[in-house]
Amino acid sequence: SQKIEQNSEALNIQEGKTATLTCNYTNYSPAYLQWYRQDPGRGPVFLLLIRENEKEKRKERLKVTFDTTLKQSLFHITASQPADSATYLCAPPGYNQGGKLIFGQGTELSVKP
Amino acid sequence: EPEVTQTPSHQVTQMGQEVILRCVPISNHLYFYWYRQILGQKVEFLVSFYNNEISEKSEIFDDQFSVERPDGSNFTLKIRSTKLEDSAMYFCASSRSGENQPQHFGDGTRLSIL
Repeated sequence: SQKIEQNSEALNIQEGKTATLTCNYTNYSPAYLQWYRQDPGRGPVFLLLIRENEKEKRKERLKVTFDTTLKQSLFHITASQPADSATYLCAPPGYNQGGKLIFGQGTELSVKP
Repeated sequence: EPEVTQTPSHQVTQMGQEVILRCVPISNHLYFYWYRQILGQKVEFLVSFYNNEISEKSEIFDDQFSVERPDGSNFTLKIRSTKLEDSAMYFCASSRSGENQPQHFGDGTRLSIL
């Protein structure tokens, strides 16, 4: 079955540094992959979508890469700020058409001032 | 910016009772979803809904669950006879189309079964 793995350990970094989060998937080849942010007690908030024919996507301080050979997506936050502290979720779609998302367990990011 | 709204924010129910969770998706969206998140665990897909019918459902979404779009704005999830293990955060989401589109999530209903 489809399996999504994110670093389960929390990532602690200093303000101003670049945070890099990893998402690995196995047993299938998604046509696209989405990244979401989740704050405690809130719903996921969409950040970026990257398609299989795109190697890299950027939005302000965010950058996502998608390596279909390694079956991996990397999510970068440059010039990190304490307000970036949250859990970041990787979410490729399921097999069938219809938009179902399969979420990873998320990586908790903590940015210290 | 339009958003998905969910009510109530917290629902406490006795085991065996029926519960209805309500959602108002974004108005021009065509695909609707329910997900759940048990405390400390990952977000799990329950069901997707398009053109007034279920397009896909997970193993979790058994006969005790049903969804409905009773009018042009609301989307509901009903659990007929709640169990202790149904305690979770339930998120509604909507998107313009089924594939290749961001999903917009509400802030969830925390369901506590006693």
